[in-house]
Amino acid sequence: AQRVTQPEKLLSVFKGAPVELKCNYSYSGSPELFWYVQYSRQRLQLLLRHISRESIKGFTADLNKGETSFHLKKPFAQEEDSAMYYCARKNNAGNMLTFGGGTRLMVKP
Amino acid sequence: KAGVTQTPRYLIKTRGQQVTLSCSPISGHRSVSWYQQTPGQGLQFLFEYFSETQRNKGNFPGRFSGRQFSNSRSEMNVSTLELGDSALYLCASSVGTGGSAEAFFGQGTRLTVV
Repeated sequence: AQRVTQPEKLLSVFKGAPVELKCNYSYSGSPELFWYVQYSRQRLQLLLRHISRESIKGFTADLNKGETSFHLKKPFAQEEDSAMYYCARKNNAGNMLTFGGGTRLMVKP
Repeated sequence: KAGVTQTPRYLIKTRGQQVTLSCSPISGHRSVSWYQQTPGQGLQFLFEYFSETQRNKGNFPGRFSGRQFSNSRSEMNVSTLELGDSALYLCASSVGTGGSAEAFFGQGTRLTVV
C-alpha cells in the first residue's frame, strides 16, 4: 500500500529561523507529490506540487527519488506560517490522495 | 467563483441511524473526492467520482457509499452509524482526474454519532 510518513507531529521554531518539514513516501512508480496547508479556521488548500518546481510563500520542496523524500523548506519562518502541513501523494489513476499524518508548525515571535 | 460547498456543516446522529452528506463542487469541476478526517487516523480517502462514475474507492466498509449527479454534485451516505464514524468529512473537487490536478477542499461536515 502507498504510504506517506511525516515523522514530526509538531515543529516549533522562532521567527526568522529555517524550517524543514519532513515527508517520506513509499516507493511506487512515478509519484505525484503535494504539500497541503491548513491555516487556523480555514479549509485545506494546496501549497505546492513537485511537478511545478515552484516557490510559494517562500516554501520549496524537492523530490528526492533516491531517498523517497519530499521535504518542505523555508529559509526564514514567519509567524503567519503557523499552520498544519500535510504531505500527500496521488496514485497514478484518478485523484485519490494519500496523506501523511500532518505536522503542526508553530512559529514563535 | 464559489468554492466547494458542503452541507450541512454539523450533524448529530444516533447509533444505527443513517446519514447523507452533500457536496457541491466548483463550477466546471467534474471530479469529486471524499475524505474522512479523525484525530487517530488522520485524512483517509473514501471514494472519488468522475462524470457520475466511481473511479477509486478507499478501504472503508460497505456502509459507506456515494454517488454523483449529472451536475457533478455528490452525496455520500453512511448507513447503520457507529460511534467510530464520528469525524470531519471533507469533499474535494478537481477539474479533471489524474496527473497533478489540484484538489480544492470544502469546509467539511462535522458528524457526531452518539
